[in-house]
Amino acid sequence: DTAVSQTPKYLVTQMGNDKSIKCEQNLGHDTMYWYKQDSKKFLKIMFSYNNKELIINETVPNRFSPKSPDKAHLNLHINSLELGDSAVYFCASSQGPRVSNEQFFGPGTRLTVL
Amino acid sequence: GESVGLHLPTLSVQEGDNSIINCAYSNSASDYFIWYKQESGKGPQFIIDIRSNMDKRQGQRVTVLLNKTVKHLSLQIAATQPGDSAVYFCAETRLSGGYNKLIFGAGTRLAVHP
Repeated sequence: DTAVSQTPKYLVTQMGNDKSIKCEQNLGHDTMYWYKQDSKKFLKIMFSYNNKELIINETVPNRFSPKSPDKAHLNLHINSLELGDSAVYFCASSQGPRVSNEQFFGPGTRLTVL
Repeated sequence: GESVGLHLPTLSVQEGDNSIINCAYSNSASDYFIWYKQESGKGPQFIIDIRSNMDKRQGQRVTVLLNKTVKHLSLQIAATQPGDSAVYFCAETRLSGGYNKLIFGAGTRLAVHP
């Protein structure tokens, strides 16, 4: 199926650990994103990559490091996890970086930091 | 902070009635707006968009109205069905480092009762 997929779907870990979330899209899109959705459902962009190049980098702690090995993949590595990192993280992709290019979202990864 | 606000956090409607979800945005320079639907356990899904040079756009059972004078956006759903139950987000555009990014509102939960 053509889609945006994320692994894992659920991630439970202890404070201080390092974890990664993987994202893959097989839509042939050039642009990928990471969003964070908090417990109040507020959805905020973290990063955007276009053709493997970082184009949007919001005020995110440098413990968060995105990596795009190729256009189809955008992974998110988080160092020294904190309680406040608990959230649902969504990956998305679009044909290009224009906001008028529809963004397709993955199913989300629920991260719980204990 | 950057945000797009919503008047009603929860909206309950009877099946078959029309639903209206409202949104107030803050950036008068925004030129593109989108409504997203997020079902439980899933990522947001594009519903309909509108550019600032329009004041109305219709889709299948949905209509978006834009009032730039008062910076207000609304989503109308005709003949609401149980499958419309979800959280609805409006989003506006904002420049970030030369690229446009989407700023999401807090979301309105739509509950459709039989």
